Order: sequence, then structure tokens, then C-alpha cells
Amino acid sequence: DGGITQSPKYLFRKEGQNVTLSCEQNLNHDAMYWYRQDPGQGLRLIYYSQIVNDFQKGDIAEGYSVSREKKESFPLTVTSAQKNPTAFYLCASSIAATYEQYFGPGTRLTVT
Amino acid sequence: AQTVTQSQPEMSVQEAETVTLSCTYDTSENNYYLFWYKQPPSRQMILVIRQEAYKQQNATENRFSVNFQKAAKSFSLKISDSQLGDTAMYFCAFMKHGYSGAGSYQLTFGKGTKLSVIP
Repeated sequence: DGGITQSPKYLFRKEGQNVTLSCEQNLNHDAMYWYRQDPGQGLRLIYYSQIVNDFQKGDIAEGYSVSREKKESFPLTVTSAQKNPTAFYLCASSIAATYEQYFGPGTRLTVT
Repeated sequence: AQTVTQSQPEMSVQEAETVTLSCTYDTSENNYYLFWYKQPPSRQMILVIRQEAYKQQNATENRFSVNFQKAAKSFSLKISDSQLGDTAMYFCAFMKHGYSGAGSYQLTFGKGTKLSVIP
């Protein structure tokens, strides 16, 4: 059963702690993406990766870091430098030569 | 940079009726793609329909169709025979066309329209 998984669904952290959000896909997609969604806002791109061991900053990369060591995995770390980390985070992937991005179920991060 | 504007924060429609959601965008690109995504209360983003800018024919997917006006930079979504399951946030999104190695493309989203289908 192919798809994108994100874990956990809900995540709570204390301010000042780094936290890593998981994103795994078994669709054999080359490209993967991380978006952030805030209330009343559309999705905003944090980072994206076209191929393994390569990634680029999106519109709001400050305070975040990523890695792409395997094609299937694209974890996002929310660092203590991110000033307002509480948000809903969505991971997506797409295959080269097509245009649709498929989304995971998302992770709701709450930092207090 | 591209911008996408959805001017209707909220809309409602009676079940079985038709509703149109508006979207305008600003770009200097000639080749691009446009999408409508649906986000139900589960918050899973689901692709509804896509349109290639070079195609003059409007895309259709079952009860969903678009009115693409390239010169006006307008991309509205029409939902026919509305169903309770259509209740969701709807996002319009823009993607620039371009080959970039392995082929990843960035989506620019509007702020969304909250659609409620009333029984």
C-alpha cells in the first residue's frame, strides 16, 4: 500500500528543544517537500529535495534543517532558533516528469 | 515571484447545488500549472484538479471543473451537485513549469476558501 507517512500525528515540546519530524514515502518519488501551515494561511514551503543528498531552502527555511540520506526519507528538524514553531507541518512528494505533489497526513507540533 | 489570491475566505452552498470558488494569480511566466487542492477536517491535502497553462480546454474531473482564463490570470473551480463530503478548505496553487534536473517543482498556495455544504 503506497503512500506517505508522517509521525507522530501530534508532537509536544518545550521551548528551547530541537525536535525532528519524520516523513517516509514508498512511492519511489524523487522529490520531497516540507510545508508549514498556520491558521488562516496557505501552505508555505520550508525545504525541498530533488534527489538524495541534495536539498534547497524554500520561502521560510530559517530555524529549520533537513537531510536526505535515503530516497524514501526526508526528516525535518525544528531547531530552537525557530521563533514560532507551533504549526501544522505537511510533507509531500512528487515523481520526476509529473507535476502532482502527494501529501502525507501531517504533524501538529505544539511548543510551549 | 508568483502570488495566488483567493478572495473568498468562506462560502456555503446547499447540498445538490453548484458553487464556484475564485482564484487569481500573478506571474510573468508563460508556462505553468494550476491546481486545486482540498483539505477536509482530517487535514489531509487531496488533489482535486490540475490545469496546464498551454491547454486551452478547461480541465474536468467528475463534478469538478475549472474556468481557466489565462489572459485574466483567473482559475476558478466549479463544484456541481455539491455533497456533504465536499465540506473542506479549498486551496488554489501555482507551479512554474521548468526542468530542474530530477524535476521538482515548487507550489505557491493561496490562503484558501472554507466551503460548507449545508444539508
